[in-house]
Parts: sequence; C-alpha cells; structure tokens
Amino acid sequence: EAQVTQNPRYLITVTGKKLTVTCSQNMNHEYMSWYRQDPGLGLRQIYYSMNVEVTDKGDVPEGYKVSRKEKRNFPLILESPSPNQTSLYFCASSGNWNYEQYFGPGTRLTVT
Amino acid sequence: AQSVTQLDSHVSVSEGTPVLLRCNYSSSYSPSLFWYVQHPNKGLQLLLKYTSAATLVKGINGFEAEFKKSETSFHLTKPSAHMSDAAEYFCVVSHQDDKIIFGKGTRLHILP
Repeated sequence: EAQVTQNPRYLITVTGKKLTVTCSQNMNHEYMSWYRQDPGLGLRQIYYSMNVEVTDKGDVPEGYKVSRKEKRNFPLILESPSPNQTSLYFCASSGNWNYEQYFGPGTRLTVT
Repeated sequence: AQSVTQLDSHVSVSEGTPVLLRCNYSSSYSPSLFWYVQHPNKGLQLLLKYTSAATLVKGINGFEAEFKKSETSFHLTKPSAHMSDAAEYFCVVSHQDDKIIFGKGTRLHILP
C-alpha cells in the first residue's frame, strides 16, 4: 500500500530535550516536506527537499533541522525543543513540486 | 513572493445549497494551485489541482474550481452541499524551485 508513515504519532517532552520525528514514504517520490499545523494558521512549511541531499527552508524553519540521506526518509530534528513548537506536524511526499502531495497521519507534539 | 488568502475562515450553508469557498493568490510566476480537504481528526486529501491546462478544474465529490488569472482567484464550488462535506478546506499555491504555501483554511459547516 502506498503510504507516508510518521513516528511517533504522539509525543510529550520537556524543553531542551532533543527529539527526532521520522518520516518514510514507499512511493519513490522525489519531493518531501514537513509542515506544522496550528489553529487559525493553516499548514506552514518548515523544510522541503527536492531530492536526496537537497534541502531548503520553508516558511518557518527556525528551531528545526532536516536531512535527506536516502530518498525514502526525511526525518525532522528538534535540537532543543521549546513550548512554542507544540503543534501538529505532518510529513508529505510527492512526485514533484506541482504534483499531488500525500500526507502522513500526523505527529502531535507537546513541549512542556 | 507567493501568498494565498482564503477570504472566509468559516462558511455555513444549508444541505442541498451551493458552496463557494474563496481563494486569492499572489505569485510572480505561473503557479500550480490546489485545494485540499481535512475532515475532523483526519489527514489531508487532494480535492483538485490546476497546472496550466484547462482553467475549469473538476475534482472529487462534485467539487470544481475555476482559475481566473485576471482576478488572481481560484474559488472552489459545489452545486449542492452534503452533510459529509463538513470539513476544513485549504487552498495551496506552489511553483518550481520555491516553497509550498497553504492558506489559513476555511471551515465549512453544513446546516441540516
């Protein structure tokens, strides 16, 4: 089954404790993105990657890191999480920038 | 720089009446435009997309949208609302070598 998977689905952590949210797709897609969704703000792109080893900042990259060492994986790293990073995070993949995006189920992160 | 404005944060219509969700965009180049839907506590699903072919785009579940370059608009319509259409709708703009921008969303309420 074609899908985007994210782990963990739910995470409660404390300020400053490094964490990684994994994202994997099995559709051989070139383009992958991370978004955060906050009430009233829609989805905002954090980082995107057009191919392996190519990553670019989205609208809200501060406090986040990504890497794209393999085509299928695109982990999101929070080196020192803060409460303002409490949010719902989505990973997405697509064949290219103008193709349909396929979204993961979301990761609800709470930073206390 | 690209931007997307969804003109209504909430829209209420009666079941069986037409739906209009408004979206205006700003882009320096020829963009690709999308509408996605998010049902409560669910992931995002593509409704339709415009990528410089026909200006009237038909999507799933009876939705369609018209690309009007002169008005920089991409409004979403449906002739007859159904209870199952209650959800949040996002207008999205993207173009080559740039980030993907989501609107802030329009929550559609269907009145019985």
